[in-house]
Amino acid sequence: GAGVSQTPSNKVTEKGKYVELRCDPISGHTALYWYRQSLGQGPEFLIYFQGTGAADDSGLPNDRFFAVRPEGSVSTLKIQRTERGDSAVYLCASSPLAGVSEQFFGPGTRLTVL
Amino acid sequence: GENVEQHPSTLSVQEGDSAVIKCTYSDSASNYFPWYKQELGKRPQLIIDIRSNVGEKKDQRIAVTLNKTAKHFSLHITETQPEDSAVYFCAASIKGNTGKLIFGQGTTLQVKP
Repeated sequence: GAGVSQTPSNKVTEKGKYVELRCDPISGHTALYWYRQSLGQGPEFLIYFQGTGAADDSGLPNDRFFAVRPEGSVSTLKIQRTERGDSAVYLCASSPLAGVSEQFFGPGTRLTVL
Repeated sequence: GENVEQHPSTLSVQEGDSAVIKCTYSDSASNYFPWYKQELGKRPQLIIDIRSNVGEKKDQRIAVTLNKTAKHFSLHITETQPEDSAVYFCAASIKGNTGKLIFGQGTTLQVKP
């Protein structure tokens, strides 16, 4: 079946602009995670959805970052007033169960803020 | 705070040799420890995982061991092949059962033919 997909694959924007990154999880997966991966580093947890609600948003770096999952499937990560330091690969992962279980990653969106 | 340390950062072995990557974690409530392989420009893919009620798990050439007392776990790859070359990440679940993962910094494994 189809895996996790993310769009766009690449996004180049200017400092101060607003961006939206989309994640389509595997159908039926309850849990959805967003991570950020900088060059040469491991993925860094941002936020976790269990169904429609954000169960843990402790990894969001500041209030410029926000994510939604209104129908418990597709999720959008929104970044306001982008800064050069936001440049990274944003990874989405989904899991069939809430709680501890295998996470399936998408290909990521490479965000470049000029 | 919550932390996962991974060593070494780079590892070079000859084809056919074994490779070992080690991780330590800080949260005593961690109970799930996956290992991911990431090829250049690709998504991380799970290769093996272990839960805290098990001390060792093996899948063909790959094995993981867990020492909960010492809070460390290791990945063992035997009979390495050039296609094993990639970056490997360990991770640990945080705060018990939430699914939130903290990742190590990664190990770049190079298998020389």
